[in-house]
Amino acid sequence: DVKVTQSSRYLVKRTGEKVFLECVQDMDHENMFWYRQDPGLGLRLIYFSYDVKMKEKGDIPEGYSVSREKKERFSLILESASTNQTSMYLCASTLGGYEQYFGPGTRLTVT
Amino acid sequence: RKEVEQDPGPFNVPEGATVAFNCTYSNSASQSFFWYRQDCRKEPKLLMSVYSSGNEDGRFTAQLNRASQYISLLIRDSKLSDSATYLCVVNRGSSGSARQLTFGSGTQLTVLP
Repeated sequence: DVKVTQSSRYLVKRTGEKVFLECVQDMDHENMFWYRQDPGLGLRLIYFSYDVKMKEKGDIPEGYSVSREKKERFSLILESASTNQTSMYLCASTLGGYEQYFGPGTRLTVT
Repeated sequence: RKEVEQDPGPFNVPEGATVAFNCTYSNSASQSFFWYRQDCRKEPKLLMSVYSSGNEDGRFTAQLNRASQYISLLIRDSKLSDSATYLCVVNRGSSGSARQLTFGSGTQLTVLP
C-alpha cells in the first residue's frame, strides 16, 4: 500500500516567516508533486520533481521553492510567507503513470 | 476559460438515485481523462480512468466525447458512502506525462437517506 506522509496537518505561521513543508513517500516513486487547493480553483500545481535534485515549475511557482535531496522526500519552501499563501497544500507521488497518490494535506494559515 | 470546468453543485440526491456529472475541457490535444474522488477533509484518490470507448466499474460509468470535449460520470443506485467531491482530471499534453494533469475544482455530491 502506497503511503505518502506530510510533516504537519495544520500549521499557523506569521507573515514573512520561512516555512518548510515536507513530504515523504515509501514506494520508491520517481515523480513527486506539490499542489495547493483553494475553494473554486481546484488543485493547482506549484512544482514537481521527476528525479533527485531535478525539479520543474508548475503553474504557480511564484513565492515557492522546492528541494529534493533524496528520492523519498520532497520539500516545499515558502521563502517569506504571505497571507495569500494561506491554503491547503497537497503532496503527491507517482511511479510514472497517471494515478497520483496524495498525502493527507497540510492546512497552512499565514497571519 | 478554465482548462477544466465542472458544475460545482452541490448535488443532493436520495439513496438509490442515478446522478450524472459532466466536465468540459478546453485543450483538444488532451489524451487522458480521469475521475478522482475526494472525501471531506481527505486527499483525492483515483476513482477511474475514462477511455474513448467508455468504461464501467460496478455502479460507475464514465464516458468521453472528444468532439464536444467533455467527459461524464454516471453513478447508479447511489449509496450514502458515495457522498464526496468528484474531481475531473485531464492530461493536458500529448506526451501523456503524469506531470501534466489539470484538476477541475470538483462537483460536490451528497446522498441523502
